[in-house]
Amino acid sequence: EFVLTQSPATLSLSPGERATLSCRASQSVISYLAWYQQKPGQAPRLLIYDASNRATGIPARFSGSGSGTDFTLTISRLEPEDFALYYCQHRSNWITFGQGTRLEIK
Amino acid sequence: QVQLVESGGGVVQPGGSLRLSCAASGFTFNHYGMHWVRQAPGKGLEWVAFIRYDGSDEYYGDSVKGRFAISRDNSKNMLYLQMNSLRSEDTAMYYCAKDFRDRYYFEYWGQGALVTVSS
Repeated sequence: EFVLTQSPATLSLSPGERATLSCRASQSVISYLAWYQQKPGQAPRLLIYDASNRATGIPARFSGSGSGTDFTLTISRLEPEDFALYYCQHRSNWITFGQGTRLEIK
Repeated sequence: QVQLVESGGGVVQPGGSLRLSCAASGFTFNHYGMHWVRQAPGKGLEWVAFIRYDGSDEYYGDSVKGRFAISRDNSKNMLYLQMNSLRSEDTAMYYCAKDFRDRYYFEYWGQGALVTVSS
């Protein structure tokens, strides 16, 4: 069974700090990984596709990296609006999401 | 601008049926695959189903296979999800989403339709 494992489950940081979120795949996904942001009461928003490409309109402070089984979403300097839930996603044995990382204000 | 508007959610008894609709606008609907994704209250995201741009193929998540059916009407720019034999664990917000560049990522999402399965 293919699994995406995100860590940490919760990340507590202050505005202006750097955030590093991890997503690990149970087998290689090459670079076929996306990241989404979800705020309370809203639908998710595509941030990053194919591991490192920013989607349209996504600020440059968001960046993605990694390949194979280990991936990282980095937010260089946290803005107040960045505190939200983040999910990684891959298509394998159809489509799989990680369980999410909650980024909260410290 | 791309708009996806779901409708048809509500409360249904276990074993019942419901059909969700998604009205699409702002893009050439018949050029893109479409998905349904759900989220149980307080839980993570779960992909439900996908249909190709022309309706020629459909794929389903294991938890809904054989009970749910995705379809589309390209003449009306509409996406549907027929849900049968509903269970309490199907209670969720259901989102329709536009596929991104045939990569099975979700580029645009609707606001969601809430389905509650309860007696």
